[in-house]
Amino acid sequence: SQQGEEDPQALSIQEGENATMNCSYKTSINNLQWYRQNSGRGLVHLILIRSNEREKHSGRLRVTLDTSKKSSSLLITASRAADTASYFCATDAGAAGNKLTFGGGTRVLVKP
Amino acid sequence: EAQVTQNPRYLITVTGKKLTVTCSQNMNHEYMSWYRQDPGLGLRQIYYSMNVEVTDKGDVPEGYKVSRKEKRNFPLILESPSPNQTSLYFCASSLLSGTGNQPQHFGDGTRLSIL
Repeated sequence: SQQGEEDPQALSIQEGENATMNCSYKTSINNLQWYRQNSGRGLVHLILIRSNEREKHSGRLRVTLDTSKKSSSLLITASRAADTASYFCATDAGAAGNKLTFGGGTRVLVKP
Repeated sequence: EAQVTQNPRYLITVTGKKLTVTCSQNMNHEYMSWYRQDPGLGLRQIYYSMNVEVTDKGDVPEGYKVSRKEKRNFPLILESPSPNQTSLYFCASSLLSGTGNQPQHFGDGTRLSIL
């Protein structure tokens, strides 16, 4: 079963706008990670936020984590056409084998 | 360049014909893992390995085998492929850390079609 559920499933915005996507999960976690997947390619790690952190930034990316609501958000500011991709959250719940559990992803289309 | 390399990238084969998908990483990572990605189901872990000669089942191990004889290689073996194993497969690797997961590095994927 999927631990993380992304919302929305798809998002279409104009270049320059901000894109926000959310991830909800079910169990306690050690950390939560966000990945990007361009069409036909592997996943690329974007950012990792630990359970004792509330917010993290990396370039145009901002991630928040609310462990009381079991949710996280990824904000991409000033989006570019190159940001067109699918975005996945993945949770580490401390399971055996350092397992990451991925959500179904949000497909983001940035129109020039 | 640090990378995870999978081969082949694409394969069309028939039911029952044994196949192996290779995975190699050049980052000296202890941890390696195989996932399959299916529409609407996200990524699901098949098998993982914490180090040489240490492998364990993930969420969907049925019909697959793996081996970890060397640190850099983690092949995925389908002894008798069936159509329900048609999928996009990813190999990933990472360092192991006592504080929790490290970011995983993914290969570019192998698209398997089993007819």
